[in-house]
Amino acid sequence: SQQGEEDPQALSIQEGENATMNCSYKTSINNLQWYRQNSGRGLVHLILIRSNEREKHSGRLRVTLDTSKKSSSLLITASRAADTASYFCATSYTGANSKLTFGKGITLSVRP
Amino acid sequence: EPEVTQTPSHQVTQMGQEVILRCVPISNHLYFYWYRQILGQKVEFLVSFYNNEISEKSEIFDDQFSVERPDGSNFTLKIRSTKLEDSAMYFCASTGGAGGATEAFFGQGTRLTVV
Repeated sequence: SQQGEEDPQALSIQEGENATMNCSYKTSINNLQWYRQNSGRGLVHLILIRSNEREKHSGRLRVTLDTSKKSSSLLITASRAADTASYFCATSYTGANSKLTFGKGITLSVRP
Repeated sequence: EPEVTQTPSHQVTQMGQEVILRCVPISNHLYFYWYRQILGQKVEFLVSFYNNEISEKSEIFDDQFSVERPDGSNFTLKIRSTKLEDSAMYFCASTGGAGGATEAFFGQGTRLTVV
């Protein structure tokens, strides 16, 4: 299977703490994207990292990509209660605009 | 900020009925997709569409499914004869395509309930 897998499956932290979520995949990728989904709602795009990039930042988000280990991590710094959601990594394996393969997701709970 | 819009947000239909889910992708995007998410499960790819034809489809996308871009703005998913197991959230997405990898933007989804 080419599916990505995130870990942990669930994460509960206190507001203000940092949250680190990991994603692993099995075959070479073109790019990897992280999404957030609030309960029962749509997918919100967070960040895209290309296979030739190692790290990207966007506001309180930091994403790393290690293609040798076929893994990525998403760090949310200074978490807020509003960050409570499910987070998914999604990989594009072939062309730049080929389909995305999603992992099962990580449920993040940020306690106020 | 431009966004992908989907209608309806929720549709209830009887088993065996045809449903059409509608999407308006971001206007200058070139690639269009449908995904689905059964409750509590991960998001699954259904089909991608480029240059007025299907570019890739999954095993889920059988003969009961079809997609169409009837005009310059709408992108539709039709399920010919719905089954109970078609109940899911259906997401439309689009990407720009020009100049390399671009973010895939998703709509808010249509929750389809087959009874």
